[in-house]
Amino acid sequence: ETGVTQSPTHLIKTRGQQVTLRCSSQSGHNTVSWYQQALGQGPQFIFQYYREEENGRGNFPPRFSGLQFPNYSSELNVNALELDDSALYLCASSLPLGEQYFGPGTRLTVT
Amino acid sequence: DQQVKQNSPSLSVQEGRISILNCDYTNSMFDYFLWYKKYPAEGPTFLISISSIKDKNEDGRFTVFLNKSAKHLSLHIVPSQPGDSAVYFCAASVHGYGGATNKLIFGTGTLLAVQP
Repeated sequence: ETGVTQSPTHLIKTRGQQVTLRCSSQSGHNTVSWYQQALGQGPQFIFQYYREEENGRGNFPPRFSGLQFPNYSSELNVNALELDDSALYLCASSLPLGEQYFGPGTRLTVT
Repeated sequence: DQQVKQNSPSLSVQEGRISILNCDYTNSMFDYFLWYKKYPAEGPTFLISISSIKDKNEDGRFTVFLNKSAKHLSLHIVPSQPGDSAVYFCAASVHGYGGATNKLIFGTGTLLAVQP
């Protein structure tokens, strides 16, 4: 059984640029959630995808968007990057209302 | 507004002794609580959970206690081992129905150091 994988591991972008982060869910899981973890903080919920539809959103602006594909993998897109977007981005997969299993994260640095 | 709080940023315990990690919450709608462990350069790993209809759940060396009236939960690790050294996050959610979002609200974490 393959766990949750994320790519890339690290990324450095410049303010104003756009970024796409990728997540492959654990086998059999059809729900993907994205979280942002700033330094010294706990993960904060960005949004969740269930069967290719957004299924709940946290307090993040519209420049944070996502997609889920038929194989349940997912992308997180962030437009017009700001310095405060520097964080660890975590993807978690689950069955609906099931335990969420996290990937290792993508460390994004915005300069 | 921090709905889930872990007031101890760090905790140091001797190997073999009990580790007690604490968590408080403010939202009375939360009905499901979880503990995750996180090592550096890894994602959080699910440890144990508890539903609000229970006050205790055990899994091996890990026990979670829930006090709903005090809006407080704790994780007990007995006996503590050096490999338990990690950041522990408390999380809470409002369980929905049929595919509804179960977004997790996390605390800020407690760094546990188990000394050999």
